[in-house]
Amino acid sequence: DAMVIQNPRYQVTQFGKPVTLSCSQTLNHNVMYWYQQKSSQAPKLLFHYYDKDFNNEADTPDNFQSRRPNTSFCFLDIRSPGLGDAAMYLCATSRDPSVSYNEQFFGPGTRLTVL
Amino acid sequence: AQSVAQPEDQVNVAEGNPLTVKCTYSVSGNPYLFWYVQYPNRGLQFLLKYITGDNLVKGSYGFEAEFNKSQTSFHLKKPSALVSDSALYFCAVFYGGSQGNLIFGKGTKLSVKP
Repeated sequence: DAMVIQNPRYQVTQFGKPVTLSCSQTLNHNVMYWYQQKSSQAPKLLFHYYDKDFNNEADTPDNFQSRRPNTSFCFLDIRSPGLGDAAMYLCATSRDPSVSYNEQFFGPGTRLTVL
Repeated sequence: AQSVAQPEDQVNVAEGNPLTVKCTYSVSGNPYLFWYVQYPNRGLQFLLKYITGDNLVKGSYGFEAEFNKSQTSFHLKKPSALVSDSALYFCAVFYGGSQGNLIFGKGTKLSVKP
């Protein structure tokens, strides 16, 4: 089945220790998104890739970076995690928004704990 | 600016009763509206969307939503709730054209009791 896969599902890191979260998709979608979701809150968009074009939200901290080496994979790098970065991180994909009106397909999420 | 509001933090319903989860929106131009559901420790799952056409939109798991332009609402409904419907529900609006994104409401926790 076509899907969005996130690894790992649970990640524990230490304060200040860099961490990378992974997302892959078999949907061949143009757009990939990274969201941060804190407990029972709305997902907050961090950035997205439209093909290779990177789009950063204005209020995304510099501590968060992303890479998209090819259509299928996208990575979220947190350079120096703080306690406030503990959250669920959601990856999503969509076709060209002008066609699909941005129906997004979400992965199961990675829950990040910072000790 | 585009926005969505979910006025209820939590909705409690008895199993078998009808349920409604409310959403109102504010957009310039045509509204493109979505409902997503999130079960504990899972990603969001698409339920349904309104782009154009019939005001009553049918979606997954027996859910439907009614688009009301005059009231700028897009309430989610189900005729008979199940305990398994208990989850967090998000309303969202699409904005931004070809490079557009979704704006999510803050979410409503639905609790269905046996």
